[in-house]
Amino acid sequence: SQQGEEDPQALSIQEGENATMNCSYKTSINNLQWYRQNSGRGLVHLILIRSNEREKHSGRLRVTLDTSKKSSSLLITASRAADTASYFCARFFYNQGGKLIFGQGTELSVKP
Amino acid sequence: SQTIHQWPATLVQPVGSPLSLECTVEGTSNPNLYWYRQAAGRGLQLLFYSVGIGQISSEVPQNLSASRPQDRQFILSSKKLLLSDSGFYLCAWSWGGDGEQYFGPGTRLTVT
Repeated sequence: SQQGEEDPQALSIQEGENATMNCSYKTSINNLQWYRQNSGRGLVHLILIRSNEREKHSGRLRVTLDTSKKSSSLLITASRAADTASYFCARFFYNQGGKLIFGQGTELSVKP
Repeated sequence: SQTIHQWPATLVQPVGSPLSLECTVEGTSNPNLYWYRQAAGRGLQLLFYSVGIGQISSEVPQNLSASRPQDRQFILSSKKLLLSDSGFYLCAWSWGGDGEQYFGPGTRLTVT
């Protein structure tokens, strides 16, 4: 299967704390992307990291990629109640119609 | 700017009835288009993708079908719905390239 695993499945933290979500996969990728989904809504793209990159930052987001371990992590620093959402990693494959394969997601709850 | 529309937002249909969900994109041309289904509390399952008019690739054998009659229009259909077709259906588009996808607001389908 091309799908990977995300952990934890659910994460509950206090405002101001950091949140770390992990994603593992099985096959080689072209890039890995992270998306956010608020309850009952569509997904929103957060950040993309290419297979030749190791770390990327965007505002309070930090993404790492370890292709030797086939894993990635998303760190949200100084979390806010508004960060409460589900977060998904997705593996991208150029040679398959540019499709994304999504993980099962991490449900993040940030308590004020 | 680009906008993606999906309708209807919610739909309740009896088992055995037909289905037609529509997705349209504005503000871009020749996008890649995607249909996903999301079961409650789960990740996204890619159903179909299209890289051009009349070009449809199916990811999961099932009683659903997709069509792309116009460049920016993507339709998901079924002749006879099953209970297992219930879920949250999301349409997305991308320019190709690195594959960042932009999602519509989704359609919540309940088959009774």
